[in-house]
Amino acid sequence: GAGVSQSPSNKVTEKGKDVELRCDPISGHTALYWYRQSLGQGLEFLIYFQGNSAPDKSGLPSDRFSAERTGGSVSTLTIQRTQQEDSAVYLCASSLGGAETQYFGPGTRLLVL
Amino acid sequence: SQKIEQNSEALNIQEGKTATLTCNYTNYSPAYLQWYRQDPGRGPVFLLLIRENEKEKRKERLKVTFDTTLKQSLFHITASQPADSATYLCALDASGGSYIPTFGRGTSLIVHP
Repeated sequence: GAGVSQSPSNKVTEKGKDVELRCDPISGHTALYWYRQSLGQGLEFLIYFQGNSAPDKSGLPSDRFSAERTGGSVSTLTIQRTQQEDSAVYLCASSLGGAETQYFGPGTRLLVL
Repeated sequence: SQKIEQNSEALNIQEGKTATLTCNYTNYSPAYLQWYRQDPGRGPVFLLLIRENEKEKRKERLKVTFDTTLKQSLFHITASQPADSATYLCALDASGGSYIPTFGRGTSLIVHP
């Protein structure tokens, strides 16, 4: 596709369950970012992938959060043992390596009951 | 610590007027600053980037200024239209080559017909 896509668009889960969120970046973009946005809050950086380099995980809030990027393209953000405070919109963005401008996906709205 | 401030109160203006949004930062030496637009239920969309050695950047009805002495950027929309109603986010990237921008919380703009 022409833009960044994310799936699912909405996810409702029960506290304690694991969830996987998927991001398909723009083809050819080597940089990929995950952010979290809570209601009325700014974008909170979670993790950054650049090419084959080790990801920058400095924004992950706890060890329940992890992310992978396979083949330098698709990325999956996994949240284990979800908590109610994990409820937020999870946004993925990609960019050309070394470029500043980020292209965002529509986000996955996660609700933990 | 690094801090970005955007007015949390919504800006209400009349159609045709110029909207001016402010982004202030502290404890930062950004290499550049970006402005994004975010509509409800969607990811942010890039609008403009201005570098630390640039004073002003324009794109159609949009104008961004960057004052590194005042540590402030102003974002102007001239001849505003109801379709300009959205939340506008500023994002700064620390000098030193970091590719992980920090986003402000955004300011909501409402243009009344």
